[in-house]
Amino acid sequence: SQTIHQWPATLVQPVGSPLSLECTVEGTSNPNLYWYRQAAGRGLQLLFYSVGIGQISSEVPQNLSASRPQDRQFILSSKKLLLSDSGFYLCAWSVRYEAFFGQGTRLTVV
Amino acid sequence: DQQVKQNSPSLSVQEGRISILNCDYTNSMFDYFLWYKKYPAEGPTFLISISSIKDKNEDGRFTVFLNKSAKHLSLHIVPSQPGDSAVYFCAASAWDRSQGNLIFGKGTKLSVKP
Repeated sequence: SQTIHQWPATLVQPVGSPLSLECTVEGTSNPNLYWYRQAAGRGLQLLFYSVGIGQISSEVPQNLSASRPQDRQFILSSKKLLLSDSGFYLCAWSVRYEAFFGQGTRLTVV
Repeated sequence: DQQVKQNSPSLSVQEGRISILNCDYTNSMFDYFLWYKKYPAEGPTFLISISSIKDKNEDGRFTVFLNKSAKHLSLHIVPSQPGDSAVYFCAASAWDRSQGNLIFGKGTKLSVKP
């Protein structure tokens, strides 16, 4: 069966520090991979998606970047965090319509 | 521009009664619709879906209705239980493997009171 791992679960980072969130998927090949963010009181905003290794599409201009170095690995990064980057970050995978989510990372930028 | 809209941020229902959560969309290219349930500090979990070639899909207590002409879908939960209390997200997709987009609404917080 397929599983998705996302870590860390919580993170407190100072403004201006770098960020690296990692997500890996097991039990499937060539999935679509996604990074979503849920800001406080807001819905799920699609940040990045990837349909293959090295293929990254960005939905919104922002302080973040994403990379897919391996088929089942998706990384969300920032060189310098802003206060507005605080939120709940979710990784997801899909092979058809349904997307399956990781447990999320609560990021607080202080 | 919001392509998927959930206009009710919250809904309160008595246990045993019906919960109806609504969702509207604007993109006529969407051909698949999904509902997700989310508890605080957890990732959303897939609940039920419907293809645009159908107008109803049922799974136990959960039924999703699709009205393509109105670009509207709804999730019915009957009977509602306290454990159903969560945020429900509607999502839509125009499946293109090269795109892979799944667009979410802002969610509706359902509270089921005992």
